[in-house]
Amino acid sequence: EVQLVESGGGLVQPGWSLRLSCAASGFTFRSSWMHWVRQVPGKGLLWVSRINFDGSRIYYADSVKGRFTTSRDNAKNTLYLQMGSLRVEDTAIYYCASDLIPTFWGRGTLVTVSS
Amino acid sequence: DVVVTQTPLSLSVSPGQPASISCKSSQSLLHTDGKTYFYWYIQRPGQSPQLLIYEVSNRFAGVPDRFSGSGSGTDFTLKISRVEAEDVGIYYCMQSIQLPVTFGQGTKVEIK
Repeated sequence: EVQLVESGGGLVQPGWSLRLSCAASGFTFRSSWMHWVRQVPGKGLLWVSRINFDGSRIYYADSVKGRFTTSRDNAKNTLYLQMGSLRVEDTAIYYCASDLIPTFWGRGTLVTVSS
Repeated sequence: DVVVTQTPLSLSVSPGQPASISCKSSQSLLHTDGKTYFYWYIQRPGQSPQLLIYEVSNRFAGVPDRFSGSGSGTDFTLKISRVEAEDVGIYYCMQSIQLPVTFGQGTKVEIK
């Protein structure tokens, strides 16, 4: 069974940094594209980033480009999202999802950016 | 960016009745490889999104056959032949022919 478990969310102040993790199991992580997608509670879905199987191709939404960095550790079956210069508008539930298009999704981790 | 517009934004359906949701994209989602990069998801209350339909009309594993997808180019439709209580949630369409991947606004489906 595919399992994706996000962690690392919390309450931070504007301008701070935070690193999210997504622990994967139940599939061949090292062969899978992975995504980050976020959702303001009660609102719609916004794609954040996509990374290929070995981390050599990474894409970002314009709203996070230059502030967020996606990476992965295939030895640990873990996906990361390093978020910097956080803004109030980055407040959202952050989901990781597997495959070239988001197929399996984790339950998400809530990031709240507030002073 | 490819804009995906969903209609309606909400739908109230009696159990056993059909339901239909439309999505229109701002450009064709037909790739030169012959695939159309259009998908449907459901987000049930309190849950994360789940893939329902991929590449316009293919049901994902375990999705009941009361769900069907159709369309081409820029116009797509999700139909539920007979709505059941477990179908309550928000339905999103998504395109991935071009980055950024973009989602429709979502259609909230509730039971009358």
